[in-house]
Formats: sequence, C-alpha cells, structure tokens
Amino acid sequence: QKEVEQDPGPLSVPEGAIVSLNCTYSNSAFQYFMWYRQYSRKGPELLMYTYSSGNKEDGRFTAQVDKSSKYISLFIRDSQPSDSATYLCAMSVYNQGGKLIFGQGTELSVKP
Amino acid sequence: NAGVMQNPRHLVRRRGQEARLRCSPMKGHSHVYWYRQLPEEGLKFMVYLQKENIIDESGMPKERFSAEFPKEGPSILRIQQVVRGDSAAYFCASSPPFEEAKNIQYFGAGTRLSVL
Repeated sequence: QKEVEQDPGPLSVPEGAIVSLNCTYSNSAFQYFMWYRQYSRKGPELLMYTYSSGNKEDGRFTAQVDKSSKYISLFIRDSQPSDSATYLCAMSVYNQGGKLIFGQGTELSVKP
Repeated sequence: NAGVMQNPRHLVRRRGQEARLRCSPMKGHSHVYWYRQLPEEGLKFMVYLQKENIIDESGMPKERFSAEFPKEGPSILRIQQVVRGDSAAYFCASSPPFEEAKNIQYFGAGTRLSVL
C-alpha cells in the first residue's frame, strides 16, 4: 500500500464547475499537507500549504485536512480552462528533513 | 526574484555516459532537494542537501547516483553510466533556512533526461 493515494483521473469538468480533488494517506505522523499544480512538461507550482488539521482558503482554492480520517481535499471554485493541469498532493512529517511524499497526481481538464 | 533554476532543461545521453544536472536554489534558500518523476508516476524524493552536507539520501539509488551542494555554486546531481531506466524528469526544489520552512518547497522546471 502506498503512503499517499490519489486517483489519477482524468477528471473532466465544464467551466465554472466546483472541482473536488482528494488524497488519502496511511501515515498518521504526517503534519504538513501541500497541494501543487503541474502543467504539462513544467515544474510543480505550490498552491496551498496547511499545517495539521483544518481549512485554508486562498481565492478560488480551499484546502481541507481531516487527520482523523487521514483525508485531504482541494476545492476549486468557478473552475477555468487555465486550471487544466495535474494536481499533486504532498505530505511530510515534522523533523524528517522536509522529505515530501507525493500522491500520483490527478489530471484535471476544464472544458470551455 | 529568480526562482529555482535548473539546467539543462533537456539532456540526451547514450547508455554508459555520465549525466550532470545542475540546480541553483532561490535567493536566500539554503536547503536543496532532488526528486525524480518517472512516466505515469508521482514525484519520488531522492536526496536533501544543505551547503556542503548531505542531510538525507534515503531515496538515492545505492549505485551510480551522487549529489553535492558545494559552498560555492549550484547543487549537482550526477548519474554515472546511465541506463535506459534512468530516463525521467529530475526536479530540484529549495526552501528557506528555518526549520518549519523545510516543508514549503519551491520547484524548478526540471531536467528531462533521455537515455538512448
């Protein structure tokens, strides 16, 4: 079993839809949770960063962490064609040198 | 404010040759990380370095791979005697020099290595 599981998709939605992206994990020691966006043949771009449980909002993006269920989510409101990319969740344990454990990534396509 | 700079962007090597990948961290960052992304797979941690020190190399293959981050100059990921299975995108990330920020990593555009 992988430490971090993420449905690879692809996920296709119409423009303006609310998108929900999710990851589950098995290591209860994870305390830092990140979401990255990666366009084709580019490097990952940090979108959201959350420490421990709770919600965090930034513009059209909301990140949620439920440590009791070992489940994290990224919501994208009013999705745009420019949001079409692969979304990667990543996690780490405090005091383990910043080693990030990534999910496989979910490919999202937003259709005009 | 330049981001993480990686070069070359594309590198083609024949089997048995050496590959050298370079990474300059963001200004003010002193922690460097290397990750590998194989086709259809997520990013896998390889190594974490600070200036002149390897902190965690638990993700590095035992043979042919090495990394350094000298006092002056970029970090280098070196692959000796490349094989076709080394073909992948190699990403470098950097983070600021305080404890909690190790988890906030900014990535470069990557080097795509193709082994013929």
